[in-house]
Amino acid sequence: SQTIHQWPATLVQPVGSPLSLECTVEGTSNPNLYWYRQAAGRGLQLLFYSVGIGQISSEVPQNLSASRPQDRQFILSSKKLLLSDSGFYLCAWSVGLAGRVWYNEQFFGPGTRLTVL
Amino acid sequence: QQQVKQSPQSLIVQKGGISIINCAYENTAFDYFPWYQQFPGKGPALLIAIRPDVSEKKEGRFTISFNKSAKQFSLHIMDSQPGDSATYFCAASNAGSSNTGKLIFGQGTTLQVKP
Repeated sequence: SQTIHQWPATLVQPVGSPLSLECTVEGTSNPNLYWYRQAAGRGLQLLFYSVGIGQISSEVPQNLSASRPQDRQFILSSKKLLLSDSGFYLCAWSVGLAGRVWYNEQFFGPGTRLTVL
Repeated sequence: QQQVKQSPQSLIVQKGGISIINCAYENTAFDYFPWYQQFPGKGPALLIAIRPDVSEKKEGRFTISFNKSAKQFSLHIMDSQPGDSATYFCAASNAGSSNTGKLIFGQGTTLQVKP
């Protein structure tokens, strides 16, 4: 069965510090991967998505970046955090095009709660 | 045209009542409409989904009603229970023609079911 991991679960960082959040998926190959941010009491904002190693698409211009160094690893980074970067960060995966049936269900990880002070 | 508009933003229902959440979309290329359920501090999980070639899909107490001509779809929760208290997101995508698997999410509805 497939499993998605995110770490750390919670993080408190000062403004201006760097960030690295990691997401890994087990039990599948060539998944599509996604990073979302959810502000308190708000909806899901898609930040980045990737259809393959080294292929990153950005949805919202900001001080965050993403990388996919391995097929099932997705990393969210920042060189200098802003107060507005606080939120609940969710990684998700879906079956890549080659294996997809008519639907493209996304499976979400447990999330990382980031507080920037 | 890529937006999915969801209403209401919050909903309070008595135990045993019917909860109804509505979504509307503009892009006629959308061909997959899922609903996700999210409990506090957890990631969302797929609840139920529908294709536009059917007008209704039912799974247990959860039903999606789909109106293709009106470009609207809704989630009905029958016999609502306190355990259904969560945030619900509708979403849409053109799964048949996109290789990205991207979902366009609604803004979310926070449901509280009072005992």
